[in-house]
Amino acid sequence: QQQVKQSPQSLIVQKGGISIINCAYENTAFDYFPWYQQFPGKGPALLIAIRPDVSEKKEGRFTISFNKSAKQFSLHIMDSQPGDSATYFCAAHSGNTPLVFGKGTRLSVIA
Amino acid sequence: DARVTQTPRHKVTEMGQEVTMRCQPILGHNTVFWYRQTMMQGLELLAYFRNRAPLDDSGMPKDRFSAEMPDATLATLKIQPSEPRDSAVYFCASGLVSYGYTFGSGTRLTVV
Repeated sequence: QQQVKQSPQSLIVQKGGISIINCAYENTAFDYFPWYQQFPGKGPALLIAIRPDVSEKKEGRFTISFNKSAKQFSLHIMDSQPGDSATYFCAAHSGNTPLVFGKGTRLSVIA
Repeated sequence: DARVTQTPRHKVTEMGQEVTMRCQPILGHNTVFWYRQTMMQGLELLAYFRNRAPLDDSGMPKDRFSAEMPDATLATLKIQPSEPRDSAVYFCASGLVSYGYTFGSGTRLTVV
């Protein structure tokens, strides 16, 4: 119930391409779905988040797509850049549950 | 920018010693998490506080770990006695319920 399953574990994308990372959850009580970006030696940093009342949220090159019926959400990075190379974590949370993280996806954007 | 401050940034200690990690949450945040990050396990929740009260510490080995919030400006995580398998990066995060949580820079613990 508390798990968030994230895929793929690692991803290599050409510069300018689209990076897609997927997550699935079980607990329908979750009401907040953030994505975090982590660079080596740093703490995770909030990138973008969505609530289940909308199906998509876009901030710059980053878009979250949310499918409530399938209990899935995904991060799309458009026009991927080498500076986007990092580890990305999806997470889920509600007022009564802790912030639960996926296992992470290591993204490498190559020129 | 408001930030979560963790001290120390690095700690090397001998097996059996007590380790105390400290976290200063962002002023006004009512929720504090402690996570441990390793390559194998990813981000594991250790403890979770709301308004300084512990809500969930089921992920924490109770025989050696303890977490407290003596006041709203300080959260502590103690390990006594420490073991080599405790070597990891420990993160504190603070925020408001169901809003963005801000992570500190972490404490990298090495137990030899």
